Amino acid sequence: GAVVSQHPSRVICKSGTSVKIECRSLDFQATTMFWYRQFPKQSLMLMATSNEGSKATYEQGVEKDKFLINHASLTLSTLTVTSAHPEDSSFYICSALHTGTVYGYTFGSGTRLTVV
Amino acid sequence: GQNIDQPTEMTATEGAIVQINCTYQTSGFNGLFWYQQHAGEAPTFLSYNVLDGLEEKGRFSSFLSRSKGYSYLLLKELQMKDSASYLCAVRASKAAGNKLTFGGGTRVLVKP
Repeated sequence: GAVVSQHPSRVICKSGTSVKIECRSLDFQATTMFWYRQFPKQSLMLMATSNEGSKATYEQGVEKDKFLINHASLTLSTLTVTSAHPEDSSFYICSALHTGTVYGYTFGSGTRLTVV
Repeated sequence: GQNIDQPTEMTATEGAIVQINCTYQTSGFNGLFWYQQHAGEAPTFLSYNVLDGLEEKGRFSSFLSRSKGYSYLLLKELQMKDSASYLCAVRASKAAGNKLTFGGGTRVLVKP
């Protein structure tokens, strides 16, 4: 149990376009999801906390107008990278808070975004 | 704020033991996690400590001292497949949103 599906796994887009990444909890309801970004050889950096039915909470330094987060249902959160630039190329990972287990967090498989 | 430190890299020999230390200074504490991550993949849960002491789980053990803001992950009988990054992460309180903040990660290289 406690599976999180993240799509797409890889995406290449042109500079200036927008990309949407989906994070879906398959067998549990996730009122809270987290979005991370990871650059090569670095750790996961929390971008924002997504709460179902309310506005996301962004970490300091993360542009909310550039990284749009929508959590419209208990099983789906989306991250849209708007007007993407090469410096947005990174590995994006979502995580869903699963209150039913002590482990708490279930991660998606990640999305490798390359902006050309 | 959260400040979590761990060594950048460690090298060990197959069959040996390696200890990865993690120190943290956080404004709130509601548990410490250790994850394993292979390049290009999502983190995999290894262990969770919320009370002081040692948690043992097969070849992996994790220790926590809340008063010292210190944890370690012990990997025994190292195997080549254990070459990966190991991430220490601290969970904030529920009031702070249950956020999980990661340290910089420790890349472990296991040599034959």
